[in-house]
Amino acid sequence: GQSLEQPSEVTAVEGAIVQINCTYQTSGFYGLSWYQQHDGGAPTFLSYNALDGLEETGRFSSFLSRSDSYGYLLLQELQMKDSASYFCAVRYNFNKFYFGSGTKLNVKP
Amino acid sequence: NAGVTQTPKFQVLKTGQSMTLQCAQDMNHNSMYWYRQDPGMGLRLIYYSASEGTTDKGEVPNGYNVSRLNKREFSLRLESAAPSQTSVYFCASSGRDGDNEQFFGPGTRLTVL
Repeated sequence: GQSLEQPSEVTAVEGAIVQINCTYQTSGFYGLSWYQQHDGGAPTFLSYNALDGLEETGRFSSFLSRSDSYGYLLLQELQMKDSASYFCAVRYNFNKFYFGSGTKLNVKP
Repeated sequence: NAGVTQTPKFQVLKTGQSMTLQCAQDMNHNSMYWYRQDPGMGLRLIYYSASEGTTDKGEVPNGYNVSRLNKREFSLRLESAAPSQTSVYFCASSGRDGDNEQFFGPGTRLTVL
């Protein structure tokens, strides 16, 4: 089976840096994705890591360590609009995706 | 381009009723997915279709059937709705088999009484 663990809630102030961790247990692992979802909205894709290391896309970076079954999403220069839920998702057995329960990020002024 | 569209946006059913959720994408994507999201939870994969004419079970397929009508459309059917199927249903598509980025529709909010 698949399992994912990520913190349920994180709070940070505007302009700060926050890291959201994700640990997984997966058979047939291909990679780790991150999605953002605002309340009442649809998930939107942020990043994907198939290999170890850091991927940077603007203010967002994502990291993967396959040997530790661990990844994180790093958000820099936090803005109020970053308040949302963030989901890690493992891609397994090539075509399937398993999502974590999500981390609610609260950005305060 | 509309991206991924879903109908209806909201639906209330009584236990035992049936209905079909419709999904269409105009991005010429091969792969399509159906997920459900319960309050405060992540998305759980119900069924997916890697290409026209093929479908496969996901994590929670019981109580659902799907049809990949053509490359654009992927429908989800509840034959006999149960209160446990109250959820938000999202359809998604991705460009090629195994493509990493999924594009999601706006969701269908279903309540089963």
